[in-house]
Amino acid sequence: NAGVTQTPKFQVLKTGQSMTLQCAQDMNHEYMSWYRQDPGMGLRLIHYSVGAGITDQGEVPNGYNVSRSTTEDFPLRLLSAAPSQTSVYFCASSYDPKVPQETQYFGPGTRLLVL
Amino acid sequence: KNEVEQSPQNLTAQEGEFITINCSYSVGISALHWLQQHPGGGIVSLFMLSSGKKKHGRLIATINIQEKHSSLHITASHPRDSAVYICAVGGATNKLIFGTGTLLAVQP
Repeated sequence: NAGVTQTPKFQVLKTGQSMTLQCAQDMNHEYMSWYRQDPGMGLRLIHYSVGAGITDQGEVPNGYNVSRSTTEDFPLRLLSAAPSQTSVYFCASSYDPKVPQETQYFGPGTRLLVL
Repeated sequence: KNEVEQSPQNLTAQEGEFITINCSYSVGISALHWLQQHPGGGIVSLFMLSSGKKKHGRLIATINIQEKHSSLHITASHPRDSAVYICAVGGATNKLIFGTGTLLAVQP
């Protein structure tokens, strides 16, 4: 299994541009989530999904959209990039939607720089 | 005050030393996770526990639900243990709350 994959690994955007961060898993996991990691702060939840067709907001959802059309894929869209969205983004998945009880599998991360 | 606090924030040890990293939390939880993040960024789950103690190789994790406290111990530390160690807690919702991490450097 490839586990959780993310593309791209690194991206530079100009303010106002849009882009999609890709996340895919091949473990048939129901729960998928997006986090951002900023210096001095813990990972913060952006959006999550407990199954295909179901998404919900996390702690810091503003400026981001998600969709979950298949179990495998959970893309994160930046609608109009802002310098405040410069961060490292991690996608994670787990089998059971009751996430606290399940081991989390993380992707390798996407480093985003917004100029 | 953060709901999940880790201490210390930074830790430098000599190879072979016994290391302890602490995690305190203020919310009710059903599980606590310890994660490892190496330079280069990848995050790996080390332990998930809801009571007692777990051991994997040189790593031991304990949790005291009554005191809302967990510890991660590393025995016979090695430079390859150098990483950021992250504590995260999960409660009744489908969301994890993360600590800010402990940066560990083990010197040869």
